[in-house]
Amino acid sequence: SYVLTQPPSVSVAPGETARITCGATYIGSKSVHWYQQRPGQAPLLVIFYDGDRPSGIPERFSGSSSGNTATLTISRVEAGDEADYYCQVWDNSRVPPGMEFGGGTKLTVL
Amino acid sequence: QVQLQESGPGLVKPSGTLSLTCTVSGGFISDKNCLSWVRQPPGKGLEWIGEIYDSGSTIYNPSLKSRVSISVDKSKSLVSLNVTSVTAADTAVFYCATGVSAAAPLGNWGQGTLVTVSS
Repeated sequence: SYVLTQPPSVSVAPGETARITCGATYIGSKSVHWYQQRPGQAPLLVIFYDGDRPSGIPERFSGSSSGNTATLTISRVEAGDEADYYCQVWDNSRVPPGMEFGGGTKLTVL
Repeated sequence: QVQLQESGPGLVKPSGTLSLTCTVSGGFISDKNCLSWVRQPPGKGLEWIGEIYDSGSTIYNPSLKSRVSISVDKSKSLVSLNVTSVTAADTAVFYCATGVSAAAPLGNWGQGTLVTVSS
């Protein structure tokens, strides 16, 4: 299977910038989606196709992907951003193709 | 806007079959979307189980394929998930979620339902 590697945790102070990475072989050639999951809630799509934002998601959320790393960037971090974040790709390099999630990163706002 | 609601027994005995239903409202099955099932063991990450398409065709996670089946009842706007021969390791919150195609992001999620496997 296609393994997506995320750091278990990232900590930032309010107002700072958080960067959460998702590493995998040639991930830059795939479309990466990011989900935010607050405690007790269902995941919420925050970035799709590497860097697009769904309506209603603040512009503070952005994404990029190149080479072997995709990155979710959250600018001017707020207390409400504290959550688990998951990257996800569709792996069409295998038969049959399938969906893969990263292990998740817990964002702590200090 | 598609709305999803998972339902089913919250407790299943070991070696039994876990059966869940996802009720879809607001349009899915006739709009060439796909519906995925995703699970999350307590305190752990997300795991894709499989998905079903408008045509009724399915793709499953290879790690679960031998025990999983997903089906659709278009007349009732229901998508069902069955997992056989369950063990405690299958205890999880189960979500249904939709995307516009196989490789598309999951833009709509149900609230999830906790299923515990225990005697």
